[in-house]
Amino acid sequence: DAMVIQNPRYQVTQFGKPVTLSCSQTLNHNVMYWYQQKSSQAPKLLFHYYDKDFNNEADTPDNFQSRRPNTSFCFLDIRSPGLGDAAMYLCATSRQRGSGQPQHFGDGTRLSIL
Amino acid sequence: QQQVKQSPQSLIVQKGGISIINCAYENTAFDYFPWYQQFPGKGPALLIAIRPDVSEKKEGRFTISFNKSAKQFSLHIMDSQPGDSATYFCAASISSNTGKLIFGQGTTLQVKP
Repeated sequence: DAMVIQNPRYQVTQFGKPVTLSCSQTLNHNVMYWYQQKSSQAPKLLFHYYDKDFNNEADTPDNFQSRRPNTSFCFLDIRSPGLGDAAMYLCATSRQRGSGQPQHFGDGTRLSIL
Repeated sequence: QQQVKQSPQSLIVQKGGISIINCAYENTAFDYFPWYQQFPGKGPALLIAIRPDVSEKKEGRFTISFNKSAKQFSLHIMDSQPGDSATYFCAASISSNTGKLIFGQGTTLQVKP
């Protein structure tokens, strides 16, 4: 059974057209993360929510926003996608924050920009 | 200092052989070192993890060896199988931090039948 579910699996959008990616979890975990993974690269953390507390990475572009309306759902909004934003976007969860807490990843949404 | 360096970038091993992937770090505050396995089109999945108070951890065919003084750790896959063909990422994080994982660059493993 999928525990971290990302929709859609593939998303195509036009240059500059806002897009929203969604993530849901059945694990009831407190922490939800969004990573960006470009081809043949490691995942790069964009931001995370610890419960309702939003934590942005210093180098995450302002173009990227996130919402967590409840424990189960988290959204990634890209306000004006550029060609450089084409990537796999991974959602992950962990029970608590801090080292040693396993992160459970979804299968990602592959975003293409036309 | 936040980097984790991983090698090799790619690895080809015959079925039944041993696959070895190495990682090195600089920040001595790191205290959790997981390995993730990622198949094409899938998200990373936690394979095995170790803390620096242990020099070795084994789970099935997968073993992490940890050398605290050298600031290095490695993944050994014994009796490698074609089904092990995937990309492997080492990572590190700090207890007092948010749990942010610093990933290595990844190693693409191909196990030939």
